[in-house]
Amino acid sequence: EPEVTQTPSHQVTQMGQEVILRCVPISNHLYFYWYRQILGQKVEFLVSFYNNEISEKSEIFDDQFSVERPDGSNFTLKIRSTKLEDSAMYFCASSFKLAGGPGTDTQYFGPGTRLTVL
Amino acid sequence: SQQGEEDPQALSIQEGENATMNCSYKTSINNLQWYRQNSGRGLVHLILIRSNEREKHSGRLRVTLDTSKKSSSLLITASRAADTASYFCATGMDTGRRALTFGSGTRLQVQP
Repeated sequence: EPEVTQTPSHQVTQMGQEVILRCVPISNHLYFYWYRQILGQKVEFLVSFYNNEISEKSEIFDDQFSVERPDGSNFTLKIRSTKLEDSAMYFCASSFKLAGGPGTDTQYFGPGTRLTVL
Repeated sequence: SQQGEEDPQALSIQEGENATMNCSYKTSINNLQWYRQNSGRGLVHLILIRSNEREKHSGRLRVTLDTSKKSSSLLITASRAADTASYFCATGMDTGRRALTFGSGTRLQVQP
C-alpha cells in the first residue's frame, strides 16, 4: 500500500543552523502538509501546499519556515535558523485530489522526523 | 475546552473489553477524523466521518458524530494488546480550509 515517507528519521542540529526535512508524498496525491508535535503536546498544523504554492499556513509558520516541491516527488520543509523551541516531531501528510474535482479530506501521515535543536 | 478535546486523557482496560473515547469540538466542521499513534511513531488514519453522517463502522471501530452536541466517540470493540496507543480526533473545518485541528489525545492501555 502506498505510504508517505520522510527522511531523516532523526535530525540533530545546533541552534541557528538551517535544516531541511524531506518528504515523499503518496504519488497521486496533490495536497501536501506539514504538521509538528512538540513532545507531550498536540499535533499542530503548519502549512498546506497545492499547485506549487502555499494554500494555508498557521501562525507558527513564520518567515523562518519555507516549503518547496523541488521535483515531481519530494516535498521539503526548511527551517532557516533553528531555535531550541523548534525541537519537535515534524510530520508530512498528503491527500488526494480528483482531477477537476474537490480534494478528499483524508490526510495520510508519514512516520515523522524528530528534530532536536541543541 | 479547545477544539478537538478528547476524554478521558488515559484509559486502561483488559484485553477483550470495549474502549470508548470521546472528542468534543467548538466550531462547525466538515469532517472529523480519528488517528492512532503508537509511542513516538507516526499517525495512522483510522476513520473519517462527515458532518452529515451520524455513525460509521470499520472493522472493530465504530465512530459516532453528534453535530448538535459537537461531539464524537470512537468505540473499539474486543480490544487487543496491540490496540495500545494514543488516539486523536482531528477536525476539518467547513470553511474550505484543509488544515486539521488535533485534540490532545487519549492514551489507551490494553492489558493482556
